[in-house]
Amino acid sequence: QQPVQSPQAVILREGEDAVINCSSSKALYSVHWYRQKHGEAPVFLMILLKGGEQKGHEKISASFNEKKQQSSLYLTASQLSYSGTYFCGTVGDDKIIFGKGTRLHILP
Amino acid sequence: GAGVSQSPRYKVTKRGQDVALRCDPISGHVSLYWYRQALGQGPEFLTYFNYEAQQDKSGLPNDRFSAERPEGSISTLTIQRTEQRDSAMYRCASSSAGPNTGELFFGEGSRLTVL
Repeated sequence: QQPVQSPQAVILREGEDAVINCSSSKALYSVHWYRQKHGEAPVFLMILLKGGEQKGHEKISASFNEKKQQSSLYLTASQLSYSGTYFCGTVGDDKIIFGKGTRLHILP
Repeated sequence: GAGVSQSPRYKVTKRGQDVALRCDPISGHVSLYWYRQALGQGPEFLTYFNYEAQQDKSGLPNDRFSAERPEGSISTLTIQRTEQRDSAMYRCASSSAGPNTGELFFGEGSRLTVL
């Protein structure tokens, strides 16, 4: 079943923070996050496994609450290069199902 | 090659023709996925291989769609008797591990247009 992402779109000024949420109606083993820029292929950001651990690098991090079947992606002090569409991919059985995406636009 | 390679990059065909889309994964990657992506939407799961075994084909829309990966490397997605609604970007992705832990590396995609 397709995970639900919110919000559908976000417009930020450079330096502002954003949170993108992903929820599933199914029990999850892991959650993937990808970013896709216009006209390009999706690019991997991170995977979160069971256990509620928070992962991240630089100013992009994420959390995974397996009990609530939810994950959140945190972008702090956003940069122009963060613009794009963000997809979560949930793993409930033996495949990765992607949400519809969250469009993020960063203004200078 | 350095990344996942897909061919053709663009395919225009007439309704009723068969098409074959090819995916050459990163060398050594055991998992291979096919997705379909409509404009402005997320990748839609079609099918998944672990080596040469097709593990899940539940996302294939109907029996006109089929996929194979006979030697556990290159994969082909075949669409028979194409229809206009088949028009989309078809993306292949490969991974060195299974879906729980393996990051996906996507190819640039094959854009199919059915007239």
